Amino acid sequence: AQSVAQPEDQVNVAEGNPLTVKCTYSVSGNPYLFWYVQYPNRGLQFLLKYITGDNLVKGSYGFEAEFNKSQTSFHLKKPSALVSDSALYFCAVLSGGYNKLIFGAGTRLAVHP
Amino acid sequence: DAGVIQSPRHEVTEMGQEVTLRCKPISGHDYLFWYRQTMMRGLELLIYFNNNVPIDDSGMPEDRFSAKMPNASFSTLKIQPSEPRDSAVYFCASRLAGGPYNEQFFGPGTRLTVL
Repeated sequence: AQSVAQPEDQVNVAEGNPLTVKCTYSVSGNPYLFWYVQYPNRGLQFLLKYITGDNLVKGSYGFEAEFNKSQTSFHLKKPSALVSDSALYFCAVLSGGYNKLIFGAGTRLAVHP
Repeated sequence: DAGVIQSPRHEVTEMGQEVTLRCKPISGHDYLFWYRQTMMRGLELLIYFNNNVPIDDSGMPEDRFSAKMPNASFSTLKIQPSEPRDSAVYFCASRLAGGPYNEQFFGPGTRLTVL
């Protein structure tokens, strides 16, 4: 079965520093991976996805993610964190005939001024 | 486009009452998904529709839960009778056909509290 794991419940980073939110995946076949962000009292918003091609994927709000097949990872990164990036981040993988998104448990990112 | 619209945003009800959650997907989107989010279980897919037809309802927890999509612009998720353990945030999402890689667009959610 397809699954993703987000090993950190929370990540703390100072404003202006680079940030990384980790995600590892377990799939049979090709992995189709997504990152979503959830701000308080809001629905999830799409950030970026990996389908095929370049291992470095660029997305919204300056975020990018690096796909690493050998390490089965898809870590979310940003070179310089903003306080406004503080939110809940979800990694997800397509499953079920590629129509179902399976989400990780989420990682809370806290960016401190 | 207004995005995915859900109503109500908040619902407080008593155990045993019927609850109906509503969703209007983005116009032109062929797929509609219902999710439930809780602290204990995270985000779970309950059911999804393609062209108004339920495709996979394996995530619906019990017979107390039912979902319908009578037309392309409206779906409901009903819980009857409701129980305190149904308290959660329920999200509706939609996406375009043309490939499962198309991202899903989420509504703001309905926060359900069953007393």
